[in-house]
Amino acid sequence: QLVESGGGLVQPGGSLRLSCAASGFTLSGYWMDWVRQPPGKGLLWVSRINSDGSATPYADSVKGRFTISRDNVKNTLHLQMNSLGAEDTAVYYCVRYNAVQLNAFDIWGQGTVVTVSS
Amino acid sequence: SNELTQPPSVSVSPGQTASIVCSGDVLGNRYASWYRQKPGQSPVLVIYRNDKRPSGIPERFSGSNSGNTATLTISGTQALDEADYYCQAWDSRTPCVFGGGTKLTVL
Repeated sequence: QLVESGGGLVQPGGSLRLSCAASGFTLSGYWMDWVRQPPGKGLLWVSRINSDGSATPYADSVKGRFTISRDNVKNTLHLQMNSLGAEDTAVYYCVRYNAVQLNAFDIWGQGTVVTVSS
Repeated sequence: SNELTQPPSVSVSPGQTASIVCSGDVLGNRYASWYRQKPGQSPVLVIYRNDKRPSGIPERFSGSNSGNTATLTISGTQALDEADYYCQAWDSRTPCVFGGGTKLTVL
């Protein structure tokens, strides 16, 4: 199970830090991703982190503003979001990528809502 | 191109077969996955590695991937299958790309 937290209302230019707590499995064994969904729109990939945190690709739209990180001891994933704009308004999902068995996203969190507005 | 293209909507009568296509260059040499999302809910994996079903997904869901087109097929479509469906693949340039989504309506 994945449970996100940290969403909320933030002013343009502000920052937020999302967290995702994993239970029922060991986070360190998996690549983890953030996927977002703007209101009424489709799914958009945001970022990924590999098992040891050494590889962290980002979507062009967030590169330089967002930072993904993980704490394998606390079984937690994070997304630091800076310089937020209205285009970042979305539901943010924490997602597990099962590379070994499925090559697919097999566990999704319930999502946390981020609203960027003045 | 690293885009995946889906039709915005597909309609089907109950009991009939629904097919949702997803096209893109990346599908030529990558696995396709499909996700179902019902209103107000998180997406759920329904097909992985082109044609494999996770446990708990009914047999009426099937998938294929040939050339640059992946297809999700739902046989004997039921009202509870009404949802948005997204294809997804991996690309060497973009770690993950989703299709724009298809709204399946069961009339």
